Amino acid sequence: KAGVTQTPRYLIKTRGQQVTLSCSPISGHRSVSWYQQTPGQGLQFLFEYFSETQRNKGNFPGRFSGRQFSNSRSEMNVSTLELGDSALYLCASSPSGRTGAEAFFGQGTRLTVV
Amino acid sequence: TQLLEQSPQFLSIQEGENLTVYCNSSSVFSSLQWYRQEPGEGPVLLVTVVTGGEVKKLKRLTFQFGDARKDSSLHITAAQTGDTGLYLCAGESGGSYIPTFGRGTSLIVHP
Repeated sequence: KAGVTQTPRYLIKTRGQQVTLSCSPISGHRSVSWYQQTPGQGLQFLFEYFSETQRNKGNFPGRFSGRQFSNSRSEMNVSTLELGDSALYLCASSPSGRTGAEAFFGQGTRLTVV
Repeated sequence: TQLLEQSPQFLSIQEGENLTVYCNSSSVFSSLQWYRQEPGEGPVLLVTVVTGGEVKKLKRLTFQFGDARKDSSLHITAAQTGDTGLYLCAGESGGSYIPTFGRGTSLIVHP
């Protein structure tokens, strides 16, 4: 069974630009969560989608948004990029998301904002 | 305020040594997970504990969930270089399905 796939793996953007990251969950998994990982803050929850609906949201500004498609694939968008948005963005999938943190992670997208 | 505190933050040991890392909170968790993350990769789930006092073993790794479900420990026996990585604990509390992660313990095992 294929794992969680995130694209692209690496990305360099300029301040003020916007970026879209993609995540394909494990086949059959309906819950997709997004996390931001930085050395200073660790892993922080961004949001979770289930059946195309945002079900949970972390404490991030509105510049961070996402969506989920009918095939459970998900995208995350960050607008008006700031230097502090440089981080590893991780996507995780789980069958239902009801067990919360028990999830399967992708390799992540390393975003650098210059 | 970090809901889950992990200690130590860094650990550098020789192959063959034993070690324990801790995950503590003032909150009660309905379940708690341990992950290992290698550089450039996403975290990989090692174990989930749900019952207070529960002990789970995964080869040389022993996981324990505190009786009050507020803390957990991970003990590695006879560490190997392949155990090198960032160990993260994560859990849910207060009826929330939003998971909280600790900042992790970075383990380096030297040959």
